[in-house]
Amino acid sequence: QVQLVQSGAEVKKPGASVMFSCKASGYTFTGYYLHWVRQAPGQGLEWMGWINPNSGGTNYAQKFQGRVTMTRDTSISTAYMELSRLRSDDTAVYYCARASLTGYFPSYYFDYWGQGTLVTVSS
Amino acid sequence: EIVMTQSPATLSVSPGEGATLSCRASQSVSSNLAWYQQKPGQAPRLLIYGASTRATGIPARFSGSGSGTEFTLTISSLQSEDFAVYYCQQYNNWPPLTFGGGTTVEIK
Repeated sequence: QVQLVQSGAEVKKPGASVMFSCKASGYTFTGYYLHWVRQAPGQGLEWMGWINPNSGGTNYAQKFQGRVTMTRDTSISTAYMELSRLRSDDTAVYYCARASLTGYFPSYYFDYWGQGTLVTVSS
Repeated sequence: EIVMTQSPATLSVSPGEGATLSCRASQSVSSNLAWYQQKPGQAPRLLIYGASTRATGIPARFSGSGSGTEFTLTISSLQSEDFAVYYCQQYNNWPPLTFGGGTTVEIK
């Protein structure tokens, strides 16, 4: 069965960086885009960007350009997202989510989600 | 950026009753709209994509309709497990992909 297993919770100070991981299993890792979506406490969902695990190509939301880097290691079916220059308003649960396919082409809605990683940014 | 607006923010419904949730896009998203359900402490779960196609394993009491800028998620005969927050998401124009602010369906 498809699973996305994310790394554990983190506590960071303002200005630091954090690296998230998302290990995929149960499907061909390189066949589906992986997206990152975050959710601040009590708030809605915010899309951050995607990575194509096959090519390594990425597309980031403008809001996070310059602060976010998405990478992958196909040998261990794992995607990573690094967020730098953390601020208190980056406190949120960060999800990786697999984008579905329409035929052979990527779609942009999410059929499987990781369990989320809570990052708390506090001095 | 396409802004997605959901209404109402909170819907109070008795078990067994139906619920109608609305989602409006600031410009046409064709039928490129998905609905998700999220329970406390859990990740979202895909319910509907393509505005009206149920995802795998989703009960028939969930149905989606609409196109363009106006969309509806209907839950017939709410079960206890259906009380949750529901989000719509457009995937027609990106970046960015955008979500609505959510509708909380609570027990009346």
